Amino acid sequence: DTGVSQDPRHKITKRGQNVTFRCDPISEHNRLYWYRQTLGQGPEFLTYFQNEAQLEKSRLLSDRFSAERPKGSFSTLEIQRTEQGDSAMYLCASSLALQKDTGELFFGEGSRLTVL
Amino acid sequence: LAKTTQPISMDSYEGQEVNITCSHNNIATNDYITWYQQFPSQGPRFIIQGYKTKVTNEVASLFIPADRKSSTLSLPRVSLSDTAVYYCLVGDYGSWGKLQFGAGTQVVVTP
Repeated sequence: DTGVSQDPRHKITKRGQNVTFRCDPISEHNRLYWYRQTLGQGPEFLTYFQNEAQLEKSRLLSDRFSAERPKGSFSTLEIQRTEQGDSAMYLCASSLALQKDTGELFFGEGSRLTVL
Repeated sequence: LAKTTQPISMDSYEGQEVNITCSHNNIATNDYITWYQQFPSQGPRFIIQGYKTKVTNEVASLFIPADRKSSTLSLPRVSLSDTAVYYCLVGDYGSWGKLQFGAGTQVVVTP
C-alpha cells in the first residue's frame, strides 16, 4: 500500500498522559499536514511541513502539542498532558508541492484518540 | 480565506443525480474551489477542483457561474456507496492544505 499511513489507529489514554502519533506520507511527497477532527465537524488544520521545515502552526496547536518531521520523511505529533478536550481524530495528509498544482491532499485514515 | 456555506444534509435515492451548492460570496480572484468527500472513519478524499465554468472528471462535475460566488457539485446517478460527507473549500495556491473544512454536507443515499 503506497498511501499515507498512520499509527496507531486508535489510542485510549488517561488524562494527563502523553501520546504520540506517527504519520508516514506518500514517499515522494514533500509536504505533510496534520489536522484534527472532532465528531460532526470537518477537519481543522493544525500544522504543516515542507520537507523537514515546519512552516505554519494553527493557533489550535497549544504548547502541549508538538510536531516533528526529522529528515523530511515521517512525522510525529505529540500531545503532552492530555485533556479530555483532546479526544478527536488526528488526520495526516501529504502532497507534492508543485507550482500552481491542484494542491490535492492525500489523507491517511487517521488516529483516533480517546482521553478518559 | 473565503467563507463557504453549504447545506447540512441532503437525501437522495439510488440512481438520482445529487447537486450540492456551496456559497462563497467573498471569493477572491486567485481562489480555486475544491471539493472533498469523506466516509466514516476515513480521511477526506479529493474529488474535483475548478476555477470557472465547468469541470468534469470520472466522479463528478463542478459548475461555477460567471460571478463565482457559488458552485455546484453534481454527482450523477448516485449509489449507496456515495453516502458520505462532502466539503467545499475555497482558497488560492498559497493556502493549499491550510484550508478549514467546515461541517460539510452529509449526503445519504437510500435504495
